[in-house]
Amino acid sequence: DVKVTQSSRYLVKRTGEKVFLECVQDMDHENMFWYRQDPGLGLRLIYFSYDVKMKEKGDIPEGYSVSREKKERFSLILESASTNQTSMYLCASSSGEAPQHFGDGTRLSIL
Amino acid sequence: AQSVTQPDIHITVSEGASLELRCNYSYGATPYLFWYVQSPGQGLQLLLKYFSGDTLVQGIKGFEAEFKRSQSSFNLRKPSVHWSDAAEYFCAATYQAGTALIFGKGTTLSVSS
Repeated sequence: DVKVTQSSRYLVKRTGEKVFLECVQDMDHENMFWYRQDPGLGLRLIYFSYDVKMKEKGDIPEGYSVSREKKERFSLILESASTNQTSMYLCASSSGEAPQHFGDGTRLSIL
Repeated sequence: AQSVTQPDIHITVSEGASLELRCNYSYGATPYLFWYVQSPGQGLQLLLKYFSGDTLVQGIKGFEAEFKRSQSSFNLRKPSVHWSDAAEYFCAATYQAGTALIFGKGTTLSVSS
């Protein structure tokens, strides 16, 4: 089975901090995605990557950046955390036409 | 713009009753369609997918979905709901396989005894 692992289930940070959310997949997938999930808004795409060192902006990239130095790892970076970035963050990966597999999510609170 | 709409925010169904969750899409051509389920505090689990071919798709946990091109719909159904089916359900679509998904806003299913 595909395993997508997000480094933290719960995270509490302070405004202005630089925050790193890590995601690792174990199936050699080319494609990786970061979404944020908010009540009543569903999942919205932040960034995605179709290859190592490649990244593309999604629908809501403002305030975020990403890094993909290795195929299996896709990191989401909050450059200067703000309270409106309190949310559930979900990482996913896929290969070819196969559906995306999701991690369990990181619930991030910015105080 | 491409979009996915789930008209029902919250549905309550009695245990043992049938279920239908609605999903409509707005795309220029037939997209790839998915249903995911999310239990509280968990990530998303794929229930089923439609790429092409037979318009009635079988998934896991006894779920099925029917693609209707004329109605731009991909509704999820289950003949008899179990209490463990209480969760949030998301319909999603993409124009090109393997690319980023566009999600509906989700439908929360409650199951009453």
